[in-house]
Amino acid sequence: DIQMTQSPSTLSASVGDRVTITCRASQSISNWLAWFQQKAGKAPKLLIYQASSLESGVPSRFSGSGSGTEFTLTISSLQPDDFATYYCQRYNSYSGTFGQGTKVEIK
Amino acid sequence: EVQLVQSGAEVKKPGESLKISCEASGYSFTSYWIGWVRQMPGKGLEWMGIIYPGDSETRYGPSFEGQVTILADKAINTAYLQWSSLKASDSAMYYCARRSSGSGPFDVWGQGTTVTVSS
Repeated sequence: DIQMTQSPSTLSASVGDRVTITCRASQSISNWLAWFQQKAGKAPKLLIYQASSLESGVPSRFSGSGSGTEFTLTISSLQPDDFATYYCQRYNSYSGTFGQGTKVEIK
Repeated sequence: EVQLVQSGAEVKKPGESLKISCEASGYSFTSYWIGWVRQMPGKGLEWMGIIYPGDSETRYGPSFEGQVTILADKAINTAYLQWSSLKASDSAMYYCARRSSGSGPFDVWGQGTTVTVSS
């Protein structure tokens, strides 16, 4: 089974910082990669699909890139509402492995 | 508005059975896959499986095959996650989610159902 590994596990940053989270697949997944944001006690929210497509309604400060085995989620200027845990997910017709998550904390 | 509304929190004893539900509204229930995701306390997201309500085709993640059953009743636009014999390790938050068109990721999520299994 394909494994998804995120780094870092925790990230401390300040409002206005540029933040980058990395997700690596154990083998090529083309661009079948999504990013989710989850706040404490809430359901996850889809941010990015197909590695770089922004979900409708998601602020443009979020962007995704990559293909094959290495992917990144970038927040161009961190806002107070962005402190949360972020998950990557590899998906295809019949499976959907998540990364272990990256918690973005206030520095 | 596209919406998934899950059933309320459950407290059960080990060995008991349980079925939690996820009612869909605002879209064609039979045209989109619905999946279930587990989140154990303080842990990450785990993909459990998916069902296509149109024909009840179902797929399970390797860790969940044989441990749970995913069902759908298209007459009432509701998906279910079922256990025949609960274990303490089944204590978790469970989310249902709709898969976007084709083979896409989950784009609409339920609010979650907490399951607590304790003697």
